[in-house]
Amino acid sequence: DAGVIQSPRHEVTEMGQEVTLRCKPISGHNSLFWYRQTMMRGLELLIYFNNNVPIDDSGMPEDRFSAKMPNASFSTLKIQPSEPRDSAVYFCASSPGQRNEQFFGPGTRLTVL
Amino acid sequence: SQQGEEDPQALSIQEGENATMNCSYKTSINNLQWYRQNSGRGLVHLILIRSNEREKHSGRLRVTLDTSKKSSSLLITASRAADTASYFCATDGTGNTGKLIFGQGTTLQVKP
Repeated sequence: DAGVIQSPRHEVTEMGQEVTLRCKPISGHNSLFWYRQTMMRGLELLIYFNNNVPIDDSGMPEDRFSAKMPNASFSTLKIQPSEPRDSAVYFCASSPGQRNEQFFGPGTRLTVL
Repeated sequence: SQQGEEDPQALSIQEGENATMNCSYKTSINNLQWYRQNSGRGLVHLILIRSNEREKHSGRLRVTLDTSKKSSSLLITASRAADTASYFCATDGTGNTGKLIFGQGTTLQVKP
């Protein structure tokens, strides 16, 4: 199994640009989570899906952030417009069940100039 | 409020020594999990302990859970240089949400 796949691995963009991060969860997992990690704030849950349905998006910082899961094998996290304070490592994780261990992808390191 | 908080924030030991990390949390839980993160990588699940369990072992890892004190500890025995990483505890709530709250982590350095 390839594990959770994220793309791109690194993204450098300028303030105001749209950024789209992608995630392919492990096949058969029905829960998907988006996290953001920074030195200042640690690891924060942004949003999670169960069976492709958003369950809790209370961690999404503001309306500039949006996430979709059109099918069981793909999810996107979009930031529009991006700001320098969005610079962080964004992780996607999937889980076979709501109370199970989570499997993390390698992350996308986002730098907004 | 922060659910899981690790202690100490940083730990430096010699290879072969044992490393103990602690985690405290605030609300009731269904289970508590420990994860490891190597520099520049994603988190890797180490062990899950349920609220009705008091101790669990996995290889050189030993996890304890004291729900009355709302605390857990992770012991790594006979540490190796490859154990150098950050370690996080994560807790869920008693609801069936699947949401985990991660602590700030303990950075462990094992010197060869």
